[in-house]
Amino acid sequence: NAGVTQTPKFQVLKTGQSMTLQCAQDMNHEYMSWYRQDPGMGLRLIHYSVGAGITDQGEVPNGYNVSRSTTEDFPLRLLSAAPSQTSVYFCASSYSNINTYEQYFGPGTRLTVT
Amino acid sequence: DQQVKQNSPSLSVQEGRISILNCDYTNSMFDYFLWYKKYPAEGPTFLISISSIKDKNEDGRFTVFLNKSAKHLSLHIVPSQPGDSAVYFCAASKDDKIIFGKGTRLHILP
Repeated sequence: NAGVTQTPKFQVLKTGQSMTLQCAQDMNHEYMSWYRQDPGMGLRLIHYSVGAGITDQGEVPNGYNVSRSTTEDFPLRLLSAAPSQTSVYFCASSYSNINTYEQYFGPGTRLTVT
Repeated sequence: DQQVKQNSPSLSVQEGRISILNCDYTNSMFDYFLWYKKYPAEGPTFLISISSIKDKNEDGRFTVFLNKSAKHLSLHIVPSQPGDSAVYFCAASKDDKIIFGKGTRLHILP
């Protein structure tokens, strides 16, 4: 199993550009989520999904869109990048949202918006 | 308003001694509490969890204690090893959402 994969590893965007951060898992997990990590801020939940076709907002959803058309994939879209979105983004998945909540994280995408 | 607080940004412990990382929370409705460990340039990895109906959970060198009346949990690592040097995140979950603390950087000194 590859686990949780994220692409790209690094990305530089100009303000106003759009892009999609890719996330895929091969563990047949129902629950997937996106976090951003900023210095001194810990991990903050952006959006999450409890299964294909179902998504919901986390703590900091503004400026981001998600969709979940398959169990495996959970892309994060930035429609109009802003410098405040410079961060490290982590995707995570877990088997279920109702047990111990052990999540498996991807390696992260480091995004810089200039 | 921070619901999960890790008030110590960093902690240094001698190799072989006990490391104690602390975490406070404000929402008494959380179901589970978890600890994750993170190395630089990697994603966090799950370490140990505890249900809100328990007060202790142990896994090898790692033990998590939960004090519900004080809304406090702690992670004990005994004995501390060089590979334990990392950032440790405390997290709490309710329904479908997990809230993370800001993390504590643990340095294990030789």
